[in-house]
Parts: sequence; C-alpha cells; structure tokens
Amino acid sequence: AQKITQTQPGMFVQEKEAVTLDCTYDTSDPSYGLFWYKQPSSGEMIFLIYQGSYDQQNATEGRYSLNFQKARKSANLVISASQLGDSAMYFCAMREDFTGGGNKLTFGTGTQLKVEL
Amino acid sequence: ETGVTQSPTHLIKTRGQQVTLRCSSQSGHNTVSWYQQALGQGPQFIFQYYREEENGRGNFPPRFSGLQFPNYSSELNVNALELDDSALYLCASSLDAAGGTYNEQFFGPGTRLTVL
Repeated sequence: AQKITQTQPGMFVQEKEAVTLDCTYDTSDPSYGLFWYKQPSSGEMIFLIYQGSYDQQNATEGRYSLNFQKARKSANLVISASQLGDSAMYFCAMREDFTGGGNKLTFGTGTQLKVEL
Repeated sequence: ETGVTQSPTHLIKTRGQQVTLRCSSQSGHNTVSWYQQALGQGPQFIFQYYREEENGRGNFPPRFSGLQFPNYSSELNVNALELDDSALYLCASSLDAAGGTYNEQFFGPGTRLTVL
C-alpha cells in the first residue's frame, strides 16, 4: 500500500523568504505521480504542482517547485518569495492507479504554513 | 467553465440518520471521486465513479454508497450515521478514468457534516 509522510505539522516563514515543506513516500509501483495541494481555511483543495515518477526534471509552477529525489523517495515542495496569502494547509499526495483504469489519491497529514510579516 | 460544486455547504444530523451529499462535476469531466477529511487529517478516499459505475473503493463500510448520473453529477449517501462520520466531504472530478496516466482531480469546496 502507498503511504505519504509529512513530518512537519506546522511551519513559519517570513514574508518574501523561501520555505521547504517535506514529503516522503512509499510505494512499490514503478509508475506513480506526486501532487501538492493547498487547502485554505475555506476547505477547497487547490492543485499546485505535479511530478511524474518518470519525469527527468523537477516540476516548477511559478513560485512553486518540487524537489524530487527518487532514490530517497522524497518530493519536497519549495515555495519561493512567500506571501501572506500562502498561509494555509499543504498536502502532499500520491496517485495510485486502479487495474481497470482510474485512480485515487493518498494524502499525507499535511503541514500548516504560516507566513509572517 | 464551471468548476466543481457541492451541496449543501454545511449539514447537521443526529446519530442513526441518513444523509445525501451532492456533487456537480466540472464541465466535460466524466469521473467523480469522494473523499472524507476528518478534522486535522488528510483526505481519505471513499470511492470513485466513472460513467455511472463504481470504479474503485477505499476502506469504508457499505453504509457509504454512491451514485453517478448520466450528466456525471454524483451523490454520496451515508446510512446509520455515527459520530465519527463528522468530517468535511470533498468531491473531485476528473476526465476519463480509463487509460489516463495523469488526470488531475479538481476539488469542490466540500460539505461539512456534523453528527450529533
């Protein structure tokens, strides 16, 4: 079974600084996908970034980048130039494919990020 | 393009009652997944529907059931509610469950269920 581990329950960062949110994963599937989602207090899950297991380069989306280290089974999210609006819960998730098609996401327990002035 | 919508936003029920939550998928999406998110936890996969058929199921008892309609909207039904069913229920839609190697799931705002 797949497992996602996020060891940082809470993180603080000063505005305009960079922050790294940790994620490690465990799977026996050779093909998988890793996601990061942001969940503000309103509850909606907002997709940030995706990394496929066969992707050669680390994914980037604007201020978000994913530091993918396959051998170490880690997929850390880096947010550059933090903004007050980045304060939210962040979840790392892994896609698990069903045999007949379709898939599900397995989520970690999340990291609460607080951006301070 | 209309995003994923869910109704109701909030709901309060008592133990033993039944509840139905609704989800309208994003335009063009034919796959709907449901997740339960208890307070302070990450979402847990309940099940997925693709073209009106259950496509996969997580570790939830049979009293959690669902439907998908021809327009790809979906319902989550929970019978015999228990206190531990109190959670945020998230619906996510995606395109084409069959054969996709990467199909992003777009989430709705959720329904917050409280069981007293």
